[in-house]
Amino acid sequence: GENVEQHPSTLSVQEGDSAVIKCTYSDSASNYFPWYKQELGKGPQLIIDIRSNVGEKKDQRIAVTLNKTAKHFSLHITETQPEDSAVYFCVFTGYSSASKIIFGSGTRLSIRP
Amino acid sequence: NAGVTQTPKFRVLKTGQSMTLLCAQDMNHEYMYWYRQDPGMGLRLIHYSVGEGTTAKGEVPDGYNVSRLKKQNFLLGLESAAPSQTSVYFCASSYMLRENQPQHFGDGTRLSIL
Repeated sequence: GENVEQHPSTLSVQEGDSAVIKCTYSDSASNYFPWYKQELGKGPQLIIDIRSNVGEKKDQRIAVTLNKTAKHFSLHITETQPEDSAVYFCVFTGYSSASKIIFGSGTRLSIRP
Repeated sequence: NAGVTQTPKFRVLKTGQSMTLLCAQDMNHEYMYWYRQDPGMGLRLIHYSVGEGTTAKGEVPDGYNVSRLKKQNFLLGLESAAPSQTSVYFCASSYMLRENQPQHFGDGTRLSIL
């Protein structure tokens, strides 16, 4: 079956520095790669997504890169701020298939003041 | 616009008791999902629905049942609760067009089985 690996599990960075989280997957049958942010006591919230016909997408301080050949996609957060502290999840989604939705195990990001 | 609303927010059950978790969305989404989240793990899909009157199994369906009698509501039932079902449960909804679409999540139901 599909396997999604997310690294690192925890990440601590100085405020203002950059953070990078990476996910690898084993099945190539996907064209949609979202990232979710989960704050304490809340449900996950989409922060950025990318489709397989592009290699990179940016939204202000957040970017996602996709390498379909190597089967990995990464979340980049620049100029980190205290409000970026949260748990981040990558998600593998099969082609138009609700049954094939697999969350990564999550990365707990802490921003040091 | 409330988005996705889950009730209750917290519940404690005894082993063997039954209960129903309710999810309601006001975005006219076709797809709805139930997940569970355990410590140190990502969310795992329990059941999902692609439209009113239809449901299907996800990754971890055993011990749960669901119903989608109305498009805006998706119910998750535990017929005989077990301690292994202690978890945080999340409901989500999405459009499903030709391509996959983002999911919108509720804030979860924290369930403890004693």
